[in-house]
Amino acid sequence: NAGVTQTPKFQVLKTGQSMTLQCAQDMNHEYMSWYRQDPGMGLRLIHYSVGAGITDQGEVPNGYNVSRSTTEDFPLRLLSAAPSQTSVYFCASSYTGPGYEQYFGPGTRLTVT
Amino acid sequence: TQLLEQSPQFLSIQEGENLTVYCNSSSVFSSLQWYRQEPGEGPVLLVTVVTGGEVKKLKRLTFQFGDARKDSSLHITAAQPGDTGLYLCAGEYDGTSYGKLTFGQGTILTVHP
Repeated sequence: NAGVTQTPKFQVLKTGQSMTLQCAQDMNHEYMSWYRQDPGMGLRLIHYSVGAGITDQGEVPNGYNVSRSTTEDFPLRLLSAAPSQTSVYFCASSYTGPGYEQYFGPGTRLTVT
Repeated sequence: TQLLEQSPQFLSIQEGENLTVYCNSSSVFSSLQWYRQEPGEGPVLLVTVVTGGEVKKLKRLTFQFGDARKDSSLHITAAQPGDTGLYLCAGEYDGTSYGKLTFGQGTILTVHP
């Protein structure tokens, strides 16, 4: 079991560039989500999915797109990167239900210059 | 936006001291979780509490859930340098989708030998 994997580990983008952060899980979890972590602000939910073909917005969705074509994969797309998107991004997965543990990936550190 | 206030933001103590971290909200949680995060890694679940008044113990860590399910605390007895890390509380609010967590700002704990 690899758990939740994220690629790349580090990324530097110029303003206006686009990229996709990859996330995959091998635990057959229905629920997957993306968070960003900024100093002093904990983790904030960007987008989430309760199953293949179903996605919804979290607290800070602007500037990000997601899709969920399979149970295993949940990529996060930045269409036109901005310096305000400099952050550490975490993908997480869990079973769907109250209080289930969320398993986090190792994170992607993104810098936008 | 529902807010989850976590305090203190920073704690620097000597080995052997006790400490308490607080997590408060004006809204009711259906469940609340505590995570610990090491530098360069994703958060890892410590405990989930779901019942008002619940107390859970994990070795030297004691977790309490308020009777009204609006607050929680983490108490560490006789802290050790290995307890150093970022502690995060995260709640699922009543009426929200399962798995949709709101995180507190985090508490950076440093335990000096």
